[in-house]
Amino acid sequence: DGGITQSPKYLFRKEGQNVTLSCEQNLNHDAMYWYRQDPGQGLRLIYYSQIVNDFQKGDIAEGYSVSREKKESFPLTVTSAQKNPTAFYLCASSIGDTRGDEQFFGPGTRLTVL
Amino acid sequence: DQQVKQNSPSLSVQEGRISILNCDYTNSMFDYFLWYKKYPAEGPTFLISISSIKDKNEDGRFTVFLNKSAKHLSLHIVPSQPGDSAVYFCAASAQGRQGAQKLVFGQGTRLTINP
Repeated sequence: DGGITQSPKYLFRKEGQNVTLSCEQNLNHDAMYWYRQDPGQGLRLIYYSQIVNDFQKGDIAEGYSVSREKKESFPLTVTSAQKNPTAFYLCASSIGDTRGDEQFFGPGTRLTVL
Repeated sequence: DQQVKQNSPSLSVQEGRISILNCDYTNSMFDYFLWYKKYPAEGPTFLISISSIKDKNEDGRFTVFLNKSAKHLSLHIVPSQPGDSAVYFCAASAQGRQGAQKLVFGQGTRLTINP
């Protein structure tokens, strides 16, 4: 079964701690993305990567970092510099070689910072 | 600056009737539009898309209409079914390059289908 997995589904951390959210895809997609969703709001782009070892900042990258060492994996680190880290985080991927190709989303990780 | 707006936070429709969800955008560079459906605590799933060279795209019960001059698109669902109850997001991307597409999402509209 091809798809995107995100783990864990729920994550709790103390304020001031860095935390890394996992995202893995076996769709053989080149492009991967991280979004954040807050209550009553749409998805906002944090970082995206078109290819291995390359990534670009999205609209709200401050306080976050990513890496893309493998095609299948695009982990997101929420650092202590992120002022409001509590949110629902969504990872997505797309083929990346066609204009307008759809993005496929993982199930999401709900991060709560106490 | 909200480039993609869904001005109705919620919509309630009778089962079997038509559901119409609306979306407005401000960036004239957007040339590709998508609708996603999302259930609580899950990732969004792709529904339907439309390129700016078209004004209508249909897929089964779902039809998306694009009015470029008004910078407005709408999603029609007919007939509406209870399983359609979810939050619907419209999204837009700008032309330019292949590869990773930066999508800009609206705030979402919660659709409730009443039996």
